[in-house]
Amino acid sequence: EVQLVESGGGLVQPGGSLRLSCAASGFTFSSYSMNWVRQAPGKGLEWVSYISSSSSTIYYADSVKGRFTISRDNAKNSLYLQMNSLRDEDTAVYYCARIAVALGDAFDIWGQGTMVTVSS
Amino acid sequence: DIQLTQSPSFLSASVGDRVTITCRASQGISSYLAWYQQKPGKAPKLLIYAASTLQSGVPSRFSGSGSGTEFTLTISSLQPEDFATYYCQQLNSFLYTFGQGTKLEIK
Repeated sequence: EVQLVESGGGLVQPGGSLRLSCAASGFTFSSYSMNWVRQAPGKGLEWVSYISSSSSTIYYADSVKGRFTISRDNAKNSLYLQMNSLRDEDTAVYYCARIAVALGDAFDIWGQGTMVTVSS
Repeated sequence: DIQLTQSPSFLSASVGDRVTITCRASQGISSYLAWYQQKPGKAPKLLIYAASTLQSGVPSRFSGSGSGTEFTLTISSLQPEDFATYYCQQLNSFLYTFGQGTKLEIK
């Protein structure tokens, strides 16, 4: 079964750090570009970051640039999001999502999400 | 950055109704648009990609159309399981912007 499973969320104080992980299974992880998408409580979806299959191309939303770092380990079938200098407005469910080039780059597989709460 | 504006933001309809949601892009994005359905507490689910192609396993009552700057998602005959929030997303350029969402509620 094709699956993405996020972990690493939790409660952190403003200014703190957290590292999210996304474990992939059921497909050749190294062949796919990946993304992080977040959703604040009661709000819409916000794209956060993109990483190509070989890690050669990386993009960030302006709201997280300079604070978040996306990375991947193809040998471990894992995607990561290092989040530093966290702010209240970073509170959200964070999803990892696979890009399907054959589907016009649509996000065809999503994880179940992991909740990050930034609060003192 | 490319902005996407969905209308309406809220939609109240009955089982069996035909409904249409519109997504407008701030600049042309060809057919690089996807539609997702999200139910409370769940991850989004891909419904349509390339503006009009139905994802495998998605019921044929869902359809998409449009290109350039104006797109629509149509549900031909609402079923109880269709009441959810729908998002459009542009895939023409980074950043992969989402529309603000349309919440479809039971009348």
